[in-house]
Amino acid sequence: EVQLVESGGGLVQPGGSLRLSCAASGFTFSSYEINWVRQAPGKGLEWVSYIGRSGSTIYYADSVKGRFTISRDNAKNSLYLQINSLRAEDTAVYYCARMGLDALYYFDYWGQGTLVTVSS
Amino acid sequence: QSVLTQPPSVSGAPGQRVTISCTGSSSNIGAGYDVHWYQHLPGSAPKLLIYGNNNRPSGVPDRFSGSKSGTSGSLAITGLQAEDEADYYCQSYDTSLSVVVFGGGTKLTVL
Repeated sequence: EVQLVESGGGLVQPGGSLRLSCAASGFTFSSYEINWVRQAPGKGLEWVSYIGRSGSTIYYADSVKGRFTISRDNAKNSLYLQINSLRAEDTAVYYCARMGLDALYYFDYWGQGTLVTVSS
Repeated sequence: QSVLTQPPSVSGAPGQRVTISCTGSSSNIGAGYDVHWYQHLPGSAPKLLIYGNNNRPSGVPDRFSGSKSGTSGSLAITGLQAEDEADYYCQSYDTSLSVVVFGGGTKLTVL
């Protein structure tokens, strides 16, 4: 069974940092592109970042570029998101989402999410 | 403001059919990129319902179907059930922005 389990969220002050993790199981992690998608309270889904299978190809949404860093450890079946210089507008549930293998740009499995709250 | 436009809400009685539209532009759906649909219950993981415009992943009932025409996509749900009450999101890829884009979401209420 494919599973994605996020962790690392919490309450942080503006300007602070957090490292989110996503533990994958039930599939060959290194064969899949993975993304972070977030949902702010009362808002819709927003794509945040993408990482390719080997970790050498990375993309970010303009809203997080320069502050967020995505990475992966295929040996540990894990995905990470280092988030720095946090702002109130970064408050959201952060989901890791696996991309389908057929290059159609969709997400076939998602985690349950981890909540990041930025507040003083 | 989402790149893809969905109605904020739709509703229907049990057993009825509802449709949810997803309007894009010439840089995403109209450029040939596929439309995908997700079901999201608060507090749970979003679930892929339709991929590649009209394909259902294994386990998704055939009450759910998708279509695409021009710059728009559509999700149809027939034989509405109480358990279908959720938020639904469309998604595609935008070649001008070079990012995955989502609709703003549609809340389905089963009356």
